[in-house]
Amino acid sequence: QSALTQPASVSGSLGQSITISCSGTSSDIGSSNYVSWYQQYPGKAPKLMIYDVTSRPSGVSNRFSGSKSGNTASLTISGLQAEDEADYYCNSYTDNSPYVFGTGTKVTVL
Amino acid sequence: QVQLQQWGAGLLKPSETLSLTCGFYGGSLSAHYWSWIRQPPGKGLEWIGEIHYIGNTKYNPSLKSRVTISIDTSKNQFSLRLNSVSAADTAVYYCAHHGVAGCYFDYWGQGALVTVSS
Repeated sequence: QSALTQPASVSGSLGQSITISCSGTSSDIGSSNYVSWYQQYPGKAPKLMIYDVTSRPSGVSNRFSGSKSGNTASLTISGLQAEDEADYYCNSYTDNSPYVFGTGTKVTVL
Repeated sequence: QVQLQQWGAGLLKPSETLSLTCGFYGGSLSAHYWSWIRQPPGKGLEWIGEIHYIGNTKYNPSLKSRVTISIDTSKNQFSLRLNSVSAADTAVYYCAHHGVAGCYFDYWGQGALVTVSS
């Protein structure tokens, strides 16, 4: 059960859009309808940003959106803001590969 | 307002047993799934295991031989035990509630740093 692969870091300027990828295999992301994304500030617990690939919890900005194509899921942050600077983790669930997290991506706002 | 609050010993010696408890406030444990997740210092998240309110469990295969998750619905609490700890088990441990559909984590505890050191 290997971790899903994310880029170590992604950066963007204020107002820009960025996309964080989350690569897996046909045994996890490729066969999962249950991809979720979490935002984590230093020293804090993660916060759910996206669930079920594309759904956004109440209270999460519509600047955050999720998608999936094949074995890769993506989180897009549009209109980048200073408070978006954090670590982001993807997660995938399947019956055969329950709750595998990604390696994590540090987002820097320039 | 749903809240998870966790507690337990923060400093262990190698070979000892890690024990943490998570209390759920603002609702009921019934009809829900609950998980433990950990994060070594400076590293990523690792799912440890889950429990359903009726007691069914599922564990990460890499930890399965050392992990026990239990639940006490009368106290609105669930617990983690990890046997034979080593320095590799040093991490912040989080308890988490699964969303309605079950396959994501919508509420998290505050986290508890457990350090294993001789």
